[in-house]
Amino acid sequence: DAKTTQPPSMDCAEGRAANLPCNHSTISGNEYVYWYRQIHSQGPQYIIHGLKNNETNEMASLIITEDRKSSTLILPHATLRDTAVYYCIVRARFGNEKLTFGTGTRLTIIP
Amino acid sequence: DADVTQTPRNRITKTGKRIMLECSQTKGHDRMYWYRQDPGLGLRLIYYSFDVKDINKGEISDGYSVSRQAQAKFSLSLESAIPNQTALYFCATSDSGLAGRGEQYFGPGTRLTVT
Repeated sequence: DAKTTQPPSMDCAEGRAANLPCNHSTISGNEYVYWYRQIHSQGPQYIIHGLKNNETNEMASLIITEDRKSSTLILPHATLRDTAVYYCIVRARFGNEKLTFGTGTRLTIIP
Repeated sequence: DADVTQTPRNRITKTGKRIMLECSQTKGHDRMYWYRQDPGLGLRLIYYSFDVKDINKGEISDGYSVSRQAQAKFSLSLESAIPNQTALYFCATSDSGLAGRGEQYFGPGTRLTVT
């Protein structure tokens, strides 16, 4: 699996959009980008995933650059409950059960 | 997620003791996983199971064993606990469709301390 690089921490004002970057310059053609988050030692929670097109669901949007070497997770209107560690994971969609969680980005939402 | 439960939630044990962590799920998923998380680090996969007859080692299986008693139950055992197995342990579930989307559902975790 390709390695990912994320900033260790970020702050965002409540109500603003939180933009979390992830670099994955060694991503291969069959690998997807996944995002999970972990709120204060609870079990991680799946957020969204994508291959090359931008994706949106009820939780977030995922923007993947055209060369697929980086991506951004967007929480459009951050709330205090979005304070968590966010993990960017790159993995082939099939044939590999492992989700490799790095150290992620600790996002703090400021009131 | 209440659909994935883990027992106990907290456990303190002594070096050399045998301990079992249990995981149950009501999601009807066929795949189950055990991860551990050390302070300040991400999660690492210990074992995973595709069904009751299919058990696979993850990246850090040494010192651990598992049992898939039924589709809904997956237990992790430490035969002889050692202090560096002190960690937060998570169980997760998925199925072939969700796994293909990289989606796993995690339990609340078990905090294990080995003294």
